[in-house]
Amino acid sequence: DTAVSQTPKYLVTQMGNDKSIKCEQNLGHDTMYWYKQDSKKFLKIMFSYNNKELIINETVPNRFSPKSPDKAHLNLHINSLELGDSAVYFCASSRSDEQFFGPGTRLTVL
Amino acid sequence: GQQVMQIPQYQHVQEGEDFTTYCNSSTTLSNIQWYKQRPGGHPVFLIQLVKSGEVKKQKRLTFQFGEAKKNSSLHITATQTTDVGTYFCGQRGGGGSNYKLTFGKGTLLTVNP
Repeated sequence: DTAVSQTPKYLVTQMGNDKSIKCEQNLGHDTMYWYKQDSKKFLKIMFSYNNKELIINETVPNRFSPKSPDKAHLNLHINSLELGDSAVYFCASSRSDEQFFGPGTRLTVL
Repeated sequence: GQQVMQIPQYQHVQEGEDFTTYCNSSTTLSNIQWYKQRPGGHPVFLIQLVKSGEVKKQKRLTFQFGEAKKNSSLHITATQTTDVGTYFCGQRGGGGSNYKLTFGKGTLLTVNP
């Protein structure tokens, strides 16, 4: 059973489009995260939700909008995609110290 | 926010050689976590250190937290090809949030069989 799952695994789209990435965790964790990993492998936090409440919102363009319909899900919607949005996006969840990462979504903007 | 600097950025070793990656901060760290990311994979938690001078071992991996809690290291003895990947250190907390995990830029380890 996958602990943290993301869909889709790959996403190729044109500049200017709007796309969504979905994340689900079956670990019963209260806290979920979105990270962006660029081509140089730098892993940077974007957002975090705790019990469906936004608790971390880093300096991210407002084209990115997270949504948490319930504790087990955290989705990421991106409007007006730009070339620089190309990256691998990881979802993660935690109860306390350890964070569990999903398999990642590789987004390519053409 | 608080940053952790990680060195080296890359390390290539022959199988059987030892490997060490270092994580440094200009300010005191409340904790340090280590993650491993295999090529094409996702980060996987290895360990968390919280005490000054703490040393923990996991088989061939030895993790240390400095006495001043400003640096940490991960040492792998007798590397194997399965050790290939990027090793990240990071501090949980800081920036006003206990949930925020700030990563270093990682050390990419490649192992020549």
